[in-house]
Amino acid sequence: EAGVTQSPTHLIKTRGQQATLRCSPISGHTSVYWYQQALGLGLQFLLWYDEGEERNRGNFPPRFSGRQFPNYSSELNVNALELEDSALYLCASSLSGTSGMETQYFGPGTRLLVL
Amino acid sequence: DQQVKQNSPSLSVQEGRISILNCDYTNSMFDYFLWYKKYPAEGPTFLISISSIKDKNEDGRFTVFLNKSAKHLSLHIVPSQPGDSAVYFCAASGASGAGSYQLTFGKGTKLSVIP
Repeated sequence: EAGVTQSPTHLIKTRGQQATLRCSPISGHTSVYWYQQALGLGLQFLLWYDEGEERNRGNFPPRFSGRQFPNYSSELNVNALELEDSALYLCASSLSGTSGMETQYFGPGTRLLVL
Repeated sequence: DQQVKQNSPSLSVQEGRISILNCDYTNSMFDYFLWYKKYPAEGPTFLISISSIKDKNEDGRFTVFLNKSAKHLSLHIVPSQPGDSAVYFCAASGASGAGSYQLTFGKGTKLSVIP
């Protein structure tokens, strides 16, 4: 069974540009989560999508946004890129996140570098 | 305010011995706890989880213990193998109220298993 996939693996942008990161969940999973791991920091929760709707977002500015498509894949958009957005962006998926006990499985991540 | 804390940034253990990784949390609303293993530039790999109604869960060489009164959990790896060398993250969910199941991560402990 295929795991969570993410694309691209690496992305280089300049300040002020927009970045789009993509994620395909494990088949049968309807919840998708996005996390950021910046250098020297732990994994920080960004966004959670379930059944096509944004369910919760972390403490990040509105220029971090995303969506979930009918096939449950997801896109993370980062507008007006800043240097500190350089990080590893991780996507995770789980069965419907309605019990709080579903395990999240992570993809390999997208390494974003903002110059 | 760090709600999940891994106070040991690193740990070295001889091959064949027991590795004990510790994690403390402050929010009593957390009700599901997970351990992930991570290699550099890869996504976290799920190892084992435990719900708050249990105090122990075992899976092969991995055992997680939960002490709710002390708000403490630990991961035991027996016997430790060189392939276990990685960064281990403790994570918790369930603290953000009903319907919010994103993970809150500790900052990780780097385990080195010496042959």
